[in-house]
Amino acid sequence: NAGVTQTPKFQVLKTGQSMTLQCAQDMNHEYMSWYRQDPGMGLRLIHYSVGAGITDQGEVPNGYNVSRSTTEDFPLRLLSAAPSQTSVYFCATHRTGQGGGYTFGSGTRLTVV
Amino acid sequence: GENVEQHPSTLSVQEGDSAVIKCTYSDSASNYFPWYKQELGKRPQLIIDIRSNVGEKKDQRIAVTLNKTAKHFSLHITETQPEDSAVYFCAASILNDYKLSFGAGTTVTVRA
Repeated sequence: NAGVTQTPKFQVLKTGQSMTLQCAQDMNHEYMSWYRQDPGMGLRLIHYSVGAGITDQGEVPNGYNVSRSTTEDFPLRLLSAAPSQTSVYFCATHRTGQGGGYTFGSGTRLTVV
Repeated sequence: GENVEQHPSTLSVQEGDSAVIKCTYSDSASNYFPWYKQELGKRPQLIIDIRSNVGEKKDQRIAVTLNKTAKHFSLHITETQPEDSAVYFCAASILNDYKLSFGAGTTVTVRA
């Protein structure tokens, strides 16, 4: 039982490049989400999904795409990286209908130069 | 949407003293208030949460209080220890909506 697995752990991109951050979970959680963490700003919701085939925008969705073709995977795509997207990205999951908090992945530290 | 404000942004306490972190929220429909602890370079982890049908909850040295009328909630850590040094985040949501809105975080340093 690996929980929530994020890859890669570190990434450096050049401005304009694209990439996909991977998030996989083996807990059969219906809810999956992506947050970015920036100093002094807490965690801000980018996109979320309440189940396979369903996605929606959070607080800061611009520049990011998501899809949810399976329960297990929720990749985050950066279409054309910008220095403003330099951040630490966390994937978080939750089993719907139950209490308790999120289960977070270990994070991806992304630098855009 | 929900707006959560957290104070102070940094807090330094002597080992053994208490630490208090305060948060306010804007959406009166919010009814679930978790607190997360994030150690340096690690992922956030849930330490305690409270729902709006209770005013206080304790778990050993940590406690959370909620005032729904004033729309604020607080985290209390008693008898602080060096391992309590971390960044603490409050959050708010509507239960079963799952979209958490986080405060900006409080960096707590416990001095030996």
